[in-house]
Amino acid sequence: KQEVTQIPAALSVPEGENLVLNCSFTDSAIYNLQWFRQDPGKGLTSLLLIQSSQREQTSGRLNASLDKSSGRSTLYIAASQPGDSATYLCAPYSGAGSYQLTFGKGTKLSVIP
Amino acid sequence: DGGITQSPKYLFRKEGQNVTLSCEQNLNHDAMYWYRQDPGQGLRLIYYSQIVNDFQKGDIAEGYSVSREKKESFPLTVTSAQKNPTAFYLCASSIDRDTEAFFGQGTRLTVV
Repeated sequence: KQEVTQIPAALSVPEGENLVLNCSFTDSAIYNLQWFRQDPGKGLTSLLLIQSSQREQTSGRLNASLDKSSGRSTLYIAASQPGDSATYLCAPYSGAGSYQLTFGKGTKLSVIP
Repeated sequence: DGGITQSPKYLFRKEGQNVTLSCEQNLNHDAMYWYRQDPGQGLRLIYYSQIVNDFQKGDIAEGYSVSREKKESFPLTVTSAQKNPTAFYLCASSIDRDTEAFFGQGTRLTVV
């Protein structure tokens, strides 16, 4: 069964810093991996989707990498802003009879002005 | 606007009652999903549907039921058999089972 771990659980940085969020997963047989953002009391917003054949995906100040063989993904946020404060979730999509996104507990990011 | 609409935003249930959470999408997506979120835990899959008139149990289906009579709609019923229903419920959809998933804004269910 797929298990997802996100480190750190919480992170506080001053505005303008570059930062990296880490995600590891136990089953490398994935179709893709998605990164989401969740604001308090809200639903999830999709940030990036990396297909299993890709190594990297970029959107604006966000860059996600995927190393499927080692079961790792990172989300890099450049020049952080207070509006980036939220919980970030990674979710690999597994197949083989269990077609679902599996979520970690997330990293809660606070960007201090 | 295309998207996923969940209603109501807040729902209160008395002990022993069944309640139904609504999820509607106008994205023309085939696949739809229901997740439950509890404080300090990751999202857990309740049910998913890859196509109309077909659905499969997820990891925590006990005490829940669903239907998929229309492509746009995937309602979730929380039955009295669900012993701890207080949680935040999220509906999602995707074009197909391994494409980008989009989520609704959630329904917060509280047992009173």
